[in-house]
Amino acid sequence: GQQVMQIPQYQHVQEGEDFTTYCNSSTTLSNIQWYKQRPGGHPVFLIQLVKSGEVKKQKRLTFQFGEAKKNSSLHITATQTTDVGTYFCAANYGGSQGNLIFGKGTKLSVKP
Amino acid sequence: EAQVTQNPRYLITVTGKKLTVTCSQNMNHEYMSWYRQDPGLGLRQIYYSMNVEVTDKGDVPEGYKVSRKEKRNFPLILESPSPNQTSLYFCASRIRGGETQYFGPGTRLLVL
Repeated sequence: GQQVMQIPQYQHVQEGEDFTTYCNSSTTLSNIQWYKQRPGGHPVFLIQLVKSGEVKKQKRLTFQFGEAKKNSSLHITATQTTDVGTYFCAANYGGSQGNLIFGKGTKLSVKP
Repeated sequence: EAQVTQNPRYLITVTGKKLTVTCSQNMNHEYMSWYRQDPGLGLRQIYYSMNVEVTDKGDVPEGYKVSRKEKRNFPLILESPSPNQTSLYFCASRIRGGETQYFGPGTRLLVL
């Protein structure tokens, strides 16, 4: 089946440092979503990217969708302790809008 | 309050004893999904439904059944649970054409 690779698996940063997680697919995506899951919590939808080369910002978070629609990234500027959690991408390959393939996630820890 | 609810939140059972995990949403969403989350494997989609009486397999449907008789409910049925179905299960829903997928709080299942 389809797979989406997400790296890194873990990232430890000092508060104030930047953080980036990447998702890559070998085939073209219809769209990609990003989620955040706090420890002990459930995934929370952050954003959806649809267009080639799309860039969206939410405060300190910047989301990008590659020109070929095969990769995406989430960048956090000046991390805070509230950013702690696991960040997942979820890919839709266009076959069925209900079928999402999740990356394995990047677990972010932030040292105050 | 708009939400996705799951019951039970925690369940310990034995191999072979049929169980049902209920999922209900009060947002009139067409799309509903079930995921399981396992350490190192991320979130994997079990089944999804795009509307009443319309269901389809996700990536890991073996050993599970679902039904969608009403728009608000999407129960997950394990006819004969096995230890490899020990996991954290999430139900999710979204409106057709919408981006945001809302997750329930999760059901932690232990099969002995």
